Amino acid sequence: DAGVIQSPRHEVTEMGQEVTLRCKPISGHDYLFWYRQTMMRGLELLIYFNNNVPIDDSGMPEDRFSAKMPNASFSTLKIQPSEPRDSAVYFCASSHFRGRTETQYFGPGTRLLVL
Amino acid sequence: DQQVKQNSPSLSVQEGRISILNCDYTNSMFDYFLWYKKYPAEGPTFLISISSIKDKNEDGRFTVFLNKSAKHLSLHIVPSQPGDSAVYFCAASDHGNTGKLIFGQGTTLQVKP
Repeated sequence: DAGVIQSPRHEVTEMGQEVTLRCKPISGHDYLFWYRQTMMRGLELLIYFNNNVPIDDSGMPEDRFSAKMPNASFSTLKIQPSEPRDSAVYFCASSHFRGRTETQYFGPGTRLLVL
Repeated sequence: DQQVKQNSPSLSVQEGRISILNCDYTNSMFDYFLWYKKYPAEGPTFLISISSIKDKNEDGRFTVFLNKSAKHLSLHIVPSQPGDSAVYFCAASDHGNTGKLIFGQGTTLQVKP
């Protein structure tokens, strides 16, 4: 099992540019989560999908952020336009929800730096 | 508003001693709690969990204690080892059916040899 795959691992861009982060969840998992990690707020849930459908996007900070899951094996998180305050580590996680099991499996993260 | 809080950003302990990491929550609807461990340049990995119907769960060197009346949980690591040095995140489930987790800010544990 390859685990959750994220790309790129590092991204450096200039303010105003579009940034696209990619995630491949673990095969068979029906939940996919996007998180952002910062020192001040820890791990913030941005949005999550169930069976490719967005369920809760209340954590998405602004309209500049959007996420899609066109199929069960791929999701993107897009920031357009990017700003320096978006600099953070972005994690994707997936889970297979059986009853009350909430264990999530995280990818290695994408470290984003917006200059 | 932070529903799950880890008020200690960092903790340093000597190898072989006990490490105690604390977590407080505000939402009384939380009924499942987890601890995740994160090494640098890696994603968090699941460590241990506890349901609200229990007050203690043990797995080897790791024990999680839950005090529902105080809305407080703690993770005990005994004995601590240098390989335990990592960031520890507390998380809570806000509803039994969604699989959604609310995470705290994390506590960086350093275990000194």
